[in-house]
Amino acid sequence: LAKTTQPISMDSYEGQEVNITCSHNNIATNDYITWYQQFPSQGPRFIIQGYKTKVTNEVASLFIPADRKSSTLSLPRVSLSDTAVYYCLVGPDNYGQNFVFGPGTRLSVLP
Amino acid sequence: EPEVTQTPSHQVTQMGQEVILRCVPISNHLYFYWYRQILGQKVEFLVSFYNNEISEKSEIFDDQFSVERPDGSNFTLKIRSTKLEDSAMYFCASRGPGSSTDTQYFGPGTRLTVL
Repeated sequence: LAKTTQPISMDSYEGQEVNITCSHNNIATNDYITWYQQFPSQGPRFIIQGYKTKVTNEVASLFIPADRKSSTLSLPRVSLSDTAVYYCLVGPDNYGQNFVFGPGTRLSVLP
Repeated sequence: EPEVTQTPSHQVTQMGQEVILRCVPISNHLYFYWYRQILGQKVEFLVSFYNNEISEKSEIFDDQFSVERPDGSNFTLKIRSTKLEDSAMYFCASRGPGSSTDTQYFGPGTRLTVL
């Protein structure tokens, strides 16, 4: 499984756009990139998944450059309720494959 | 929107007792997982389950643990003879047989406290 590196913590203010970058230099050809959000004492919540280029949904955008060695989760106009830990996960599209969670990025949104 | 549910939300037990944590995966999902998260630490994989058998398990998932899908809807994690260090949040996840962009959906977790 590809190892990922992301900032331990980030601070932002309400209404700002937040970009969290994850490095995955040894990503494999069949690996997907998935981002989860976790609030304290709750289960991880799926945000977005992509393989290459750009993916957008109602919550976030995911930017993946051509070499796929990194990815950036973009959260538009964050609010206080976006304060959470964000995990970047890289792994093959293999149903039996478990996710390996790192420490994630603790995002604090300030008023 | 379909979701994974887990019961109980909080379980308190005495060391050495057996506990069963229950999960109801999303109804058309075929792949099931258990993870745990000790307070303040990372989410750790325990086991994955498909077609009524374990697909993969971690070093944490020793003989103390077992999983079962007893009735086609529930997915359970049994911990025999609980230890203090088993205190953690336990998360169930499920994944469907859908498109290649499908992923794992997590339940809200069961907080296990071993006294």
